[in-house]
Amino acid sequence: GAGVSQTPSNKVTEKGKYVELRCDPISGHTALYWYRQSLGQGPEFLIYFQGTGAADDSGLPNDRFFAVRPEGSVSTLKIQRTERGDSAVYLCASSPSWPSGRNEQYFGPGTRLTVT
Amino acid sequence: GENVEQHPSTLSVQEGDSAVIKCTYSDSASNYFPWYKQELGKRPQLIIDIRSNVGEKKDQRIAVTLNKTAKHFSLHITETQPEDSAVYFCAASYGGTSYGKLTFGQGTILTVHP
Repeated sequence: GAGVSQTPSNKVTEKGKYVELRCDPISGHTALYWYRQSLGQGPEFLIYFQGTGAADDSGLPNDRFFAVRPEGSVSTLKIQRTERGDSAVYLCASSPSWPSGRNEQYFGPGTRLTVT
Repeated sequence: GENVEQHPSTLSVQEGDSAVIKCTYSDSASNYFPWYKQELGKRPQLIIDIRSNVGEKKDQRIAVTLNKTAKHFSLHITETQPEDSAVYFCAASYGGTSYGKLTFGQGTILTVHP
């Protein structure tokens, strides 16, 4: 079946602008995660959704970052007043989670965000 | 919170040799340990995982071992091939109620020379 998809694949924006990054998880996966990966580093956790609710947003770096998942499927990561330090690859992952209890995560291809 | 250390940062082997990558974790509550392979510009791909109720798991040329007492786990690749060249990441999570926020290691760049 289809894997996790993310759009856009690349986004270039100017400092101070607002951006939205979209994630389509694997159909039926109830858990959705956002990570950020800087060059040469492992992915870093940002936020976790179980269904529609953000169950853990402890990884969001500050209040410029926000994410939603209104219908429990597609999720959007929103970044306000972008800064050059926000440049990274933003990865989305989904997991079967409930009711199977399986928590293996499958990643999307990522969105490469460049803030100029 | 959890901290995962991974080494070596780079590993170069000849085709056909074995490769071993090691990780340590800090949180004794962690109970799920996946390994991901990431090729340049691609998504991380889950290649094998192990849960804390198992000491070893094998899938063809890839195996993972876990020592809960010492809080370390390792990836073993036998009969390496040039297509095994990639960055490998270990990770740890606590999946108590199907929730598994992953904490990743820093990655190992594996190069397999033909």
